Amino acid sequence: GAGVSQSPRYKVAKRGQDVALRCDPISGHVSLFWYQQALGQGPEFLTYFQNEAQLDKSGLPSDRFFAERPEGSVSTLKIQRTQQEDSAVYLCASSLRGGVAAYEQYFGPGTRLTVT
Amino acid sequence: GESVGLHLPTLSVQEGDNSIINCAYSNSASDYFIWYKQESGKGPQFIIDIRSNMDKRQGQRVTVLLNKTVKHLSLQIAATQPGDSAVYFCAETPPGVYKYIFGTGTRLKVLA
Repeated sequence: GAGVSQSPRYKVAKRGQDVALRCDPISGHVSLFWYQQALGQGPEFLTYFQNEAQLDKSGLPSDRFFAERPEGSVSTLKIQRTQQEDSAVYLCASSLRGGVAAYEQYFGPGTRLTVT
Repeated sequence: GESVGLHLPTLSVQEGDNSIINCAYSNSASDYFIWYKQESGKGPQFIIDIRSNMDKRQGQRVTVLLNKTVKHLSLQIAATQPGDSAVYFCAETPPGVYKYIFGTGTRLKVLA
């Protein structure tokens, strides 16, 4: 069956450009997460959606980062005025249920962002 | 594809041997734990999970052990195969928190 998909898979941006990264979660999954993974590190949480509501954005590193999920399915992570330190793999994950009870998250392949 | 875990601790095992990957977690109140496998250029793939009311859980060729006293989690892989070569991450979830908190990861290399 279809898993979580992300696009583009690779993105090269010049410093100062804006980028938009897309996530298509598994159909029917209530929860959607964005993580940032630096080279050689584990994923770090950025933000969480339950349906269309953004319930936690505590991991977003600055106000240049913005995420949305307007219809409770597809989500977009936008980074404005990209900086070199934004270079990383951005992972999207979805989970069937919502709420604070933890369940398995299914990850997409990630988008590798390189800022030059 | 991109490389995951260039500078991670590495465990090298012979094909057919058992592997044990260890993880120290940070929050004594965490109540859900999960192991993921990540191959180069791919997203993390679920292996096995365990809740804090258990100390052992078995899957197909994998076993997770949880020691809450010392905040330690381990993943045992039986009869390690070349396809098991990857970076392995543990993750924890404290109560009332949506996100996973990932550990630093271990690279497993299977020697033929």
